[in-house]
Amino acid sequence: DGGITQSPKYLFRKEGQNVTLSCEQNLNHDAMYWYRQDPGQGLRLIYYSQIVNDFQKGDIAEGYSVSREKKESFPLTVTSAQKNPTAFYLCASLERLNQPQHFGDGTRLSIL
Amino acid sequence: GNSVTQMEGPVTLSEEAFLTINCTYTATGYPSLFWYVQYPGEGLQLLLKATKADDKGSNKGFEATYRKETTSFHLEKGSVQVSDSAVYFCALLFYNQGGKLIFGQGTELSVKP
Repeated sequence: DGGITQSPKYLFRKEGQNVTLSCEQNLNHDAMYWYRQDPGQGLRLIYYSQIVNDFQKGDIAEGYSVSREKKESFPLTVTSAQKNPTAFYLCASLERLNQPQHFGDGTRLSIL
Repeated sequence: GNSVTQMEGPVTLSEEAFLTINCTYTATGYPSLFWYVQYPGEGLQLLLKATKADDKGSNKGFEATYRKETTSFHLEKGSVQVSDSAVYFCALLFYNQGGKLIFGQGTELSVKP
């Protein structure tokens, strides 16, 4: 089955640590996106990438970094500069610009 | 700027009741509009979409009509079930802006038997 796989489902980070969230898709989609979801709020865009080796900042990119070395992979690193990283992180992909985005099942990040 | 506003939740209904979740948007241009649903602990699933004015999206008994004159995309269902309990997100998208979705804050629906 084609889809988006996010791992791990739950992740814990100590203060001062960087942590990387995985997002893999086998849908052959060009564009990929990272969103952050906080309780009672909508999703906010962190970073997105429309093609391999290229990505753009979203609305809340500070404290995060990404890479897009392969079409199927778009990992997100939450750095120690992100002061409030506890949230639910969702990855999405888009086949082409007249289709809806597909979402993974998310990773819940918590601070120890 | 572009934004989406949804009615606040939680919305609590009895099974078989009529559902309306209001969604209005502010946008320069003509976005596509979507409703996504999120079940507890899961990602988002596309529920329905509309790409131009007066389009009606429908799926699983849910409907929404793209109303340009009132900049609205209200979600309706004639008879809700307990299994419809979830959080519903209204979103808009401009394909010429990288395909980025702009979300409302979400509306939690709880359906009681």
